[in-house]
Amino acid sequence: SQQGEEDPQALSIQEGENATMNCSYKTSINNLQWYRQNSGRGLVHLILIRSNEREKHSGRLRVTLDTSKKSSSLLITASRAADTASYFCATDPNTGGGNKLTFGTGTQLKVEL
Amino acid sequence: DTEVTQTPKHLVMGMTNKKSLKCEQHMGHRAMYWYKQKAKKPPELMFVYSYEKLSINESVPSRFSPECPNSSLLNLHLHALQPEDSALYLCASSQDLGTLNTGELFFGEGSRLTVL
Repeated sequence: SQQGEEDPQALSIQEGENATMNCSYKTSINNLQWYRQNSGRGLVHLILIRSNEREKHSGRLRVTLDTSKKSSSLLITASRAADTASYFCATDPNTGGGNKLTFGTGTQLKVEL
Repeated sequence: DTEVTQTPKHLVMGMTNKKSLKCEQHMGHRAMYWYKQKAKKPPELMFVYSYEKLSINESVPSRFSPECPNSSLLNLHLHALQPEDSALYLCASSQDLGTLNTGELFFGEGSRLTVL
């Protein structure tokens, strides 16, 4: 079963607006990653935040992590039509094994002109 | 070179066929992965190879048989599949950080499999 649940399942906004997606997970983690997937294509890594970090920025992306609430959020500022895609959080569980990235349910973002 | 190359892009096979999916990377990554993704669902982990050894098998049916011939190549052998196995099969690679962390995954574009 998936480690993460994402909210909302789908989000439709106008170009220039900000988009916020939330991810909740169940067990303790080493890190949490966000990926983007254009329809039917491979996934592209966006950002990684470690369990001892609370916030991270990369260009128009801002990720927060609250390990006490087992949740993360991804903010895309000044969205563009090209940001239209599915966004997945992925968690690296702190089970000592490594290499076991598990994906959340995903948010489908549509940015309209 | 930051590419993961998967072939074929599309595959149609009958339930009695034997086929293989191939994946190649030249980034020097020592961890390689197979994920399965059904439409409008997240990728589900199938197998992980670490330094050419199978390290994770997520209880995948034996009709899927992975192989890692060397550090750059990963294969998925398919035999006697069912129509419900139709999906996008994604290969990925990453640096192998051992038990400390899972690093950034680099994905191929996937092989879309249809089982008739």
